[in-house]
Amino acid sequence: SQTIHQWPATLVQPVGSPLSLECTVEGTSNPNLYWYRQAAGRGLQLLFYSVGIGQISSEVPQNLSASRPQDRQFILSSKKLLLSDSGFYLCAWSRTVSYNEQFFGPGTRLTVL
Amino acid sequence: DAKTTQPTSMDCAEGRAANLPCNHSTISGNEYVYWYRQIHSQGPQYIIHGLKNNETNEMASLIITEDRKSSTLILPHATLRDTAVYYCIVRVAERSQKLVFGTGTRLLVSP
Repeated sequence: SQTIHQWPATLVQPVGSPLSLECTVEGTSNPNLYWYRQAAGRGLQLLFYSVGIGQISSEVPQNLSASRPQDRQFILSSKKLLLSDSGFYLCAWSRTVSYNEQFFGPGTRLTVL
Repeated sequence: DAKTTQPTSMDCAEGRAANLPCNHSTISGNEYVYWYRQIHSQGPQYIIHGLKNNETNEMASLIITEDRKSSTLILPHATLRDTAVYYCIVRVAERSQKLVFGTGTRLLVSP
């Protein structure tokens, strides 16, 4: 069976500090990978998606970046965090052939102070 | 992808059916209707999807009107664990990579 992991579960960071959130998927190969953000009281917003190693598509301009160094690893980064980067970050995957379902990880709650 | 409209919140008694409506009046012929739910502080969970026929699985039923401009998600016997935000999403399954989440319907199931 497939599983998706995210860490850390919670993170408190000062403004201007760097960020690295990691997501890994097990039990499948060549998945599509996604990063979403959910600000407090808001819906989910797609930030990045990837269809393969080194292939990243950005959905919204921001001071965040994403990388996919391995097939089942997706990393969300920032060089300098802003207060507005606070939120609930979710990683998801879907099968390459069928886009019917996206499977979400447990999420990382980031607070920037 | 077409826009959807859902009520902000709904209440349901435990054991009763929960019927969650969704309007998608601008849906096009090749767009599917998807439902996800998000329990507090967790990632969204896929529930069901359909194109034009009614669908049923172990979690819920999806009723799509003949003109496809609206749909209803039915949880036949709601439990307290069904309390969550339910999102109705329409998209072209084979083309679009992303799910566009609105604000959804907050369903509260009470004893």
